Amino acid sequence: QQPVQSPQAVILREGEDAVINCSSSKALYSVHWYRQKHGEAPVFLMILLKGGEQKGHEKISASFNEKKQQSSLYLTASQLSYSGTYFCGTDRGTASKLTFGTGTRLQVTL
Amino acid sequence: DSGVTQTPKHLITATGQRVTLRCSPRSGDLSVYWYQQSLDQGLQFLIQYYNGEERAKGNILERFSAQQFPDLHSELNLSSLELGDSALYFCASSPQVAGMNEQYFGPGTRLTVT
Repeated sequence: QQPVQSPQAVILREGEDAVINCSSSKALYSVHWYRQKHGEAPVFLMILLKGGEQKGHEKISASFNEKKQQSSLYLTASQLSYSGTYFCGTDRGTASKLTFGTGTRLQVTL
Repeated sequence: DSGVTQTPKHLITATGQRVTLRCSPRSGDLSVYWYQQSLDQGLQFLIQYYNGEERAKGNILERFSAQQFPDLHSELNLSSLELGDSALYFCASSPQVAGMNEQYFGPGTRLTVT
């Protein structure tokens, strides 16, 4: 079942912060976050595992609430380069099959 | 550059035809995934291979098939193509099949069926 992302779209001025949420109705083993710019490949940002282990880029932070099956991606002091579509992918632990959300479009302006 | 390569970059073909998309994973990665992304749509998981064996199947049509070879490169075969198969096809690889299995995506193959 596809995770639900919110908001669907957000516009920020450079330097502002944003939070993107991802929620699932099923118990999750891990949550992955990716950013995709138009016409390009998705780029890995962060992976969060059940139990607290996580790995990702230094300037990106995220959380995973196992009780609520929700994850949030925190973008602070946004830069123009942060613009793109953010996808969360959820893994229920069944052979690492990722189910991606419909994405959150982020636009950072001057 | 993720280290994952895909060929060809673009493919234009007619309905009813058959095509093969190729993917080479990052050095050392044993797991390969295939995704389909239609215009303005999200990523749809198709199939996963790990060290030559099929590990998971998603929404892959019967007209589509894939395999992973001993050198770990993978091919996705699409046959009896329909207009609706036009999409971006991404391959991704990861170092393992579970746990910290972050996926690195290739540049994609844009398939246009006319």
